[in-house]
Amino acid sequence: AQTVTQSQPEMSVQEAETVTLSCTYDTSESDYYLFWYKQPPSRQMILVIRQEAYKQQNATENRFSVNFQKAAKSFSLKISDSQLGDAAMYFCAYRRYGNKLVFGAGTILRVKS
Amino acid sequence: DADVTQTPRNRITKTGKRIMLECSQTKGHDRMYWYRQDPGLGLRLIYYSFDVKDINKGEISDGYSVSRQAQAKFSLSLESAIPNQTALYFCATAGQGGDTQYFGPGTRLTVL
Repeated sequence: AQTVTQSQPEMSVQEAETVTLSCTYDTSESDYYLFWYKQPPSRQMILVIRQEAYKQQNATENRFSVNFQKAAKSFSLKISDSQLGDAAMYFCAYRRYGNKLVFGAGTILRVKS
Repeated sequence: DADVTQTPRNRITKTGKRIMLECSQTKGHDRMYWYRQDPGLGLRLIYYSFDVKDINKGEISDGYSVSRQAQAKFSLSLESAIPNQTALYFCATAGQGGDTQYFGPGTRLTVL
């Protein structure tokens, strides 16, 4: 069975600084997708970024980028130039092609002004 | 208008009551999912459906049932609600490729 581990229950970052959220996963599959979702206080689940396992290049979306290490089964999220609006719960998730999502427990990110 | 809607947004009910949570989508997606979110546990899959005639159990289906009334509608029922079903419930949809799921706004259910 696939599992996803987020080892940081909470993180804090100063506004305009950079923060990295960690995620590791366990799978025997070779073809899969990885995601980071953001959940602000509004509780809406918002897709931040996704990575296809067959792609070696790390995904980037504006201030958000990932460090995908397939052999190490690691998928960290880097947020650059942190903004107050980045404060939220962040979930890492794994998805095998055509199958269901498995989520980590989440990391609360606090942004200090 | 939102692509994935859930009703109600909040619900308080009593132990033993039957509850239905509804999900509708205008994204034209075939695949629909129900998750529950509990503090410290992330989201866990309850049921999922790949088309109108396809219903599958997720990892925590006990105490729940679903109905896929149409491509755009997927309902979750609690036949006899119990307090440990108090949680935040999310519906999600995905296209036939199924790689990215899009979530509704969630329903907060409290069972007293």
